[in-house]
Amino acid sequence: QSALTQPRSVSGSPGQSVTISCTGTSSDVGGYNYVSWYQQHPGKAPKLMIYDVSKRPSGVPDRFSGSKSGNTASLTISGLQAEDEADYYCCSYAGSYTPSYVFGTGTKVTVL
Amino acid sequence: QLQLQESGSGLVKPSQTLSLTCAVSGGSISSGGYSWSWIRQPPGKGLEWIGYIYHSGSTYYNPSLKSRVTISVDRSKNQFSLKLSSVTAADTAVYYCASLSNIPFDYWGQGTLVTVSS
Repeated sequence: QSALTQPRSVSGSPGQSVTISCTGTSSDVGGYNYVSWYQQHPGKAPKLMIYDVSKRPSGVPDRFSGSKSGNTASLTISGLQAEDEADYYCCSYAGSYTPSYVFGTGTKVTVL
Repeated sequence: QLQLQESGSGLVKPSQTLSLTCAVSGGSISSGGYSWSWIRQPPGKGLEWIGYIYHSGSTYYNPSLKSRVTISVDRSKNQFSLKLSSVTAADTAVYYCASLSNIPFDYWGQGTLVTVSS
């Protein structure tokens, strides 16, 4: 069970859009529509931003959107704001034989 | 709204057993809609799923940790626990408890740092 692959960092100016990729295999990302995304500010617990590939929990701005194609999922932040600067982690269900989950390597989003 | 709070020893000696508890408030730990999970994050590194306990009591663990992990529930205290045996410095991390329903890891505790050192 290897960690999902994310870019180490992405950056953008306020108002721009950034996209974070999350690459796995057919045993996790590609096999299930159970990809979630978490935002983590320094010293804080992660916060759920997207689940089931593209669903937003109540209270999450619609600037955050998710998608998936094959073994790669993506998180797009539109209209980037200063408070979006944080680490982002993807997570996928990976329950081929027994239920399990795997996280991504994490991406630092910098607002220029 | 669920609230989760971790507690336990912040310093564990190598080869000993790490023990943490997560107190759940705002809902019953016996609720059929939820499972209860542990996730950890070594300093400066990414998140790692440790395992979870289903409301029925069934447990599921990360294969890389399975031989050393036990997750259990104390329904009388509305809390669940993590035990990780034979710890080494590589187990030094912030440990989070989190809820798991049809929405994965929707509620998290604030996290607790556990350091493995003699």
